[in-house]
Amino acid sequence: NAGVTQTPKFQVLKTGQSMTLQCAQDMNHNSMYWYRQDPGMGLRLIYYSASEGTTDKGEVPNGYNVSRLNKREFSLRLESAAPSQTSVYFCASSDLGGPTTEQYFGPGTRLTVT
Amino acid sequence: GIQVEQSPPDLILQEGANSTLRCNFSDSVNNLQWFHQNPWGQLINLFYIPSGTKQNGRLSATTVATERYSLLYISSSQTTDSGVYFCAVEKEYNNNDMRFGAGTRLTVKP
Repeated sequence: NAGVTQTPKFQVLKTGQSMTLQCAQDMNHNSMYWYRQDPGMGLRLIYYSASEGTTDKGEVPNGYNVSRLNKREFSLRLESAAPSQTSVYFCASSDLGGPTTEQYFGPGTRLTVT
Repeated sequence: GIQVEQSPPDLILQEGANSTLRCNFSDSVNNLQWFHQNPWGQLINLFYIPSGTKQNGRLSATTVATERYSLLYISSSQTTDSGVYFCAVEKEYNNNDMRFGAGTRLTVKP
């Protein structure tokens, strides 16, 4: 039981390049989330998916797209990276609608855009 | 949107000391969770506590939803408790949009 896994762990991009961050969970959770964490700050929600086939914007969605590929996988795409997107990105999942709704987090992806 | 404020922003303790971390929120909430981010960046869920009191070993948490605050108690602190503690809330009837506070950075010295 790996929990929530993310790839890659580190990435350096040049301004304007694109990339996709991958996330998978093996806990059979319905809901999945993408957050970014900037230095000295809490996490901010980018996008979430309440169930397979649905996605919704969070607090800071501009510059990002997401795909809920199936129940296990939720990817985050940067179409044209900007230095302001330098951050640590966390994926999370939860069993929303179950007896408790704790969020479980992946190890994070540290992204630097130069 | 809902505002989440945590205090204090920084806390330095000697090993063995007790501490209380506070989380205030500006609106009624459907969900409140406390997380610990260790020095390596991993986020661990400590408590799901939209109301009431829970205990887990040396840690306990209390949420008074009617007064819009939650407290995290750490007793007999250990160096492994160091890291950042985050409070996160979901506004009532919005079941996916979690908002995090800025965190309390705890340093426990041996």
